[in-house]
Amino acid sequence: NAGVTQTPKFQVLKTGQSMTLQCAQDMNHEYMSWYRQDPGMGLRLIHYSVGAGITDQGEVPNGYNVSRSTTEDFPLRLLSAAPSQTSVYFCASSDGLAGSYEQYFGPGTRLTVT
Amino acid sequence: SQKIEQNSEALNIQEGKTATLTCNYTNYSPAYLQWYRQDPGRGPVFLLLIRENEKEKRKERLKVTFDTTLKQSLFHITASQPADSATYLCALGNNDMRFGAGTRLTVKP
Repeated sequence: NAGVTQTPKFQVLKTGQSMTLQCAQDMNHEYMSWYRQDPGMGLRLIHYSVGAGITDQGEVPNGYNVSRSTTEDFPLRLLSAAPSQTSVYFCASSDGLAGSYEQYFGPGTRLTVT
Repeated sequence: SQKIEQNSEALNIQEGKTATLTCNYTNYSPAYLQWYRQDPGRGPVFLLLIRENEKEKRKERLKVTFDTTLKQSLFHITASQPADSATYLCALGNNDMRFGAGTRLTVKP
């Protein structure tokens, strides 16, 4: 199993550009989530999904969209990039409710918005 | 508002000693609490999960306690080694998981 994969590893965007961060898992996990990590602030939940076709907002959803058309994939879309979205983004998955099951994290995408 | 606080931003200890990390939370009534390890440039890796009805849980050199009255979890690494140097994160919640900012542990040989 590859586990949780994320692409790209690094990305530089100009303000106003849009892009999609890709996340895939091959463990047949129902739960998937996106976090951003900024220095001194820990991981903050952006959006999560408890299964295909179901998504919900986390702590910091503004400026991001998600969809879950398959169990395996959970892309994160930045609609109009802003410098405040410069961060490291992590995707994670778990076999059930996030609180009661271990989460498996991807390697991260480092995004810089200029 | 809900808060998760990990008291020390950084902790330095000597090899062989026990490291103790603290996680305090407010305005939560969690059924579970988790601890993760994160190395620089990598995603967090799950270490331990403890349930509200468990006072203590152990895994090899790791021990976690969970006091729902004090709203606190303690994470211990006994006989610490330089390889234990990393950032340790506590997390709780259900589907909307929240993480503390982490404690950076450095174990000096």
